[in-house]
Amino acid sequence: QSALTQPPSASGSPGQSVTISCTGTSSTVGDYEYVSWYQQHPGKAPKLIIYEVTKRPSGVPDRFSGSKSGNTASLTVSGLQAEDEADYYCSSYGGTNIGVFGTGTNVAVL
Amino acid sequence: EVQLVESGGGLVQPGGSLRLSCAASGFTFSGYWMHWVRQAPGKGLVWVSQINGGGTSTKYADSVKGRFTISRDNAKNTLYLQMNTLGAEDTAVYYCAILTGYYYDHWGQGTLVTVSS
Repeated sequence: QSALTQPPSASGSPGQSVTISCTGTSSTVGDYEYVSWYQQHPGKAPKLIIYEVTKRPSGVPDRFSGSKSGNTASLTVSGLQAEDEADYYCSSYGGTNIGVFGTGTNVAVL
Repeated sequence: EVQLVESGGGLVQPGGSLRLSCAASGFTFSGYWMHWVRQAPGKGLVWVSQINGGGTSTKYADSVKGRFTISRDNAKNTLYLQMNTLGAEDTAVYYCAILTGYYYDHWGQGTLVTVSS
């Protein structure tokens, strides 16, 4: 039940792009297309922004995109906006058949 | 509209017990796996427990196994988490969440549990 590994922080200026990595193992990330990403503003509940590696729920801007290579998934936020400043968590519901979350990344918009 | 509303949090002494509830509406509650996820102050999200739609299959994180019990009442559209032998390490905001496929597409607002003397 080890957490997925994310960088603790990332930052970019408005309009720039930032990419967050999420590293697991073959049994959590590599062998499955079940990675999801969540955005969490301070004091708020997490919000789903990417599911099944690349898909966006209705209402989520296309500035958010996901990808995966081997045991590492990535979230890219393009055209950074002030409201994108938040914590971001990856998750995988892969071969372990339980929820595993990433360690979280705080994104700052400079 | 899907809604999840947690309740039951509060201040409890070490070694004490608490039962959390999550009232669900806006979807067919019995058709979905439900999960509890917690977040200690200033820390990340941690999966706690899950239960299938019929209430017959459950799993727990190692850190709560033997102390926490997840259950559900589909007639009342309510999810529960009975927490016993609480310790300071259990202090967190507890969220209930719906697992759709392999992702959490709806979350409650969370309920804060504080374990302190």
